[in-house]
Amino acid sequence: DTEVTQTPKHLVMGMTNKKSLKCEQHMGHRAMYWYKQKAKKPPELMFVYSYEKLSINESVPSRFSPECPNSSLLNLHLHALQPEDSALYLCASSRREVDGYTFGSGTRLTVV
Amino acid sequence: AQSVTQLDSHVSVSEGTPVLLRCNYSSSYSPSLFWYVQHPNKGLQLLLKYTSAATLVKGINGFEAEFKKSETSFHLTKPSAHMSDAAEYFCVVQPGSSNTGKLIFGQGTTLQVKP
Repeated sequence: DTEVTQTPKHLVMGMTNKKSLKCEQHMGHRAMYWYKQKAKKPPELMFVYSYEKLSINESVPSRFSPECPNSSLLNLHLHALQPEDSALYLCASSRREVDGYTFGSGTRLTVV
Repeated sequence: AQSVTQLDSHVSVSEGTPVLLRCNYSSSYSPSLFWYVQHPNKGLQLLLKYTSAATLVKGINGFEAEFKKSETSFHLTKPSAHMSDAAEYFCVVQPGSSNTGKLIFGQGTTLQVKP
């Protein structure tokens, strides 16, 4: 298995909703990442997990809450989002950074 | 400070003609360099990587890139464009050797391929 699988592919949520994004990989990669990508822009790093521990939080608002239950799974819990949070959310993983990242196809999130 | 500059925001070629996407970088350390491709509404796919081995790097789908330290460049080329190559391309620097998670992305180049 050489893929990063993200679910759901599309999500529409209201500003008072709570939802979660899921990311899964079975490549034995020990680093996992959440990125946010707005249209026509490069991805922006949100969080880094290394060996299931949060190692980087790029000053992301607390309405985004990451979780790494095990070495294969990464979640992003969403609560009280704003319309400007609408974006493509990408998950990635890597064995070593110098090897490059494997990205999932993303979750297209729309906040209404 | 490390940075990446993709010199063209948009490149248009005809099918069957060569592709050149330009990337310059700035890094205080010996960087690892990557090219990723992103098709519409998809994630990023690694095309190729340079990690201080051979300066001419071959990637997937016929793409190549040459690392030129003297010019601080890592341009992406393909001899003959295919319609399926139409996508967004990102040049990426991973500065230094430590795992920081902080990849530096260029702003992207949109490749248009005309029939």
